[in-house]
Amino acid sequence: AQSVAQPEDQVNVAEGNPLTVKCTYSVSGNPYLFWYVQYPNRGLQFLLKYITGDNLVKGSYGFEAEFNKSQTSFHLKKPSALVSDSALYFCAVRDIPPSRGGSYIPTFGRGTSLIVHP
Amino acid sequence: EAQVTQNPRYLITVTGKKLTVTCSQNMNHEYMSWYRQDPGLGLRQIYYSMNVEVTDKGDVPEGYKVSRKEKRNFPLILESPSPNQTSLYFCASSFPDAPLHFGNGTRLTVT
Repeated sequence: AQSVAQPEDQVNVAEGNPLTVKCTYSVSGNPYLFWYVQYPNRGLQFLLKYITGDNLVKGSYGFEAEFNKSQTSFHLKKPSALVSDSALYFCAVRDIPPSRGGSYIPTFGRGTSLIVHP
Repeated sequence: EAQVTQNPRYLITVTGKKLTVTCSQNMNHEYMSWYRQDPGLGLRQIYYSMNVEVTDKGDVPEGYKVSRKEKRNFPLILESPSPNQTSLYFCASSFPDAPLHFGNGTRLTVT
């Protein structure tokens, strides 16, 4: 069974400082990994994904994530945080697609609230 | 504009009164899914559908029904709502292997 852990309920960072939101996963086979962001009163929006290739993935709004297979982690990072980055962030994992014996079904972490202070 | 549309955005109802939350997508996605979001529990999948007339249970299907008669629509039905179904509900859709597109959510309160 696949699972995702986001060990921090909340991350606080000062504007202009680098930020990291942590995610670890467990999945049989090679993972499909995603980060989503949720702003107040809105649905989740896709930020970035890792399926294969370079371990450092770049996404929307200046965010990036590093896939580390040995540590089964996919931490979200940004070099310089903005107040407008304050939101709820979700990590998700999906196993291999049906065409390769898996399913579509993603598993989400519980979310990490990022608060960027001015 | 490509989007997932849920209606209504807010709904207050009483225990036992049947309700339907509609979801429609205009991107020709095969996969559609319903989630509920509760504080401290994150997103939990209720039901999903891999294509027309193909639906399956997610992690928390009890008390919910779905149907997928057309590719674009995936309504969520609560036959007899109870207060423990008070939650924020999201519909999502995607192509295979692609990121999910989410609706803006339906906040349901059952008294």
